[in-house]
Amino acid sequence: LAKTTQPISMDSYEGQEVNITCSHNNIATNDYITWYQQFPSQGPRFIIQGYKTKVTNEVASLFIPADRKSSTLSLPRVSLSDTAVYYCLVGDGSSGAGSYQLTFGKGTKLSVIP
Amino acid sequence: NAGVTQTPKFRVLKTGQSMTLLCAQDMNHEYMYWYRQDPGMGLRLIHYSVGEGTTAKGEVPDGYNVSRLKKQNFLLGLESAAPSQTSVYFCASSNQAFQETQYFGPGTRLLVL
Repeated sequence: LAKTTQPISMDSYEGQEVNITCSHNNIATNDYITWYQQFPSQGPRFIIQGYKTKVTNEVASLFIPADRKSSTLSLPRVSLSDTAVYYCLVGDGSSGAGSYQLTFGKGTKLSVIP
Repeated sequence: NAGVTQTPKFRVLKTGQSMTLLCAQDMNHEYMYWYRQDPGMGLRLIHYSVGEGTTAKGEVPDGYNVSRLKKQNFLLGLESAAPSQTSVYFCASSNQAFQETQYFGPGTRLLVL
């Protein structure tokens, strides 16, 4: 399984850009990198997904270097409502018998301060 | 379009009791998953299904059984509940493989005394 490593927690002031980096040294060739957001007492919610270089949507940007051993989620101008846990996921990517693991890890708890 | 729903929202069991958690999705998704979330542990995959009539073990399957008799439903069973199974259980579904966007339910909080 491709495991991920993220910071346990981060603090940021409102209006700042927040960058959360995830390490995934054992990422497989056909694995995508996906980020989820989870608010307290709710299920995780998809934010963004990418394979290489840069992906941007209305919520965030995802930067992936050429070696794909890490990725950075960028949240522009965070607000109090962005306070949540952010998970970086890398799929096993295997097909066939049994290899459909998708490891969530412990995530990064982002606290946005007024 | 309700997305993914879970029943019940909260349940208290005594050790040794059994129960079934129901997950339903109305998006016609092929893949469905059961996760558990414990404090400080993130989400861990219990069982999953890649289609109606199929199930497979995830990372932490012991003590749980699942069934996918209908495409829209995925049931998680605890035959003999233990305090170690106190957790929040999330169901999710996706259109195709794991790496497709997973849509999560609101969770079921289970307390085993």
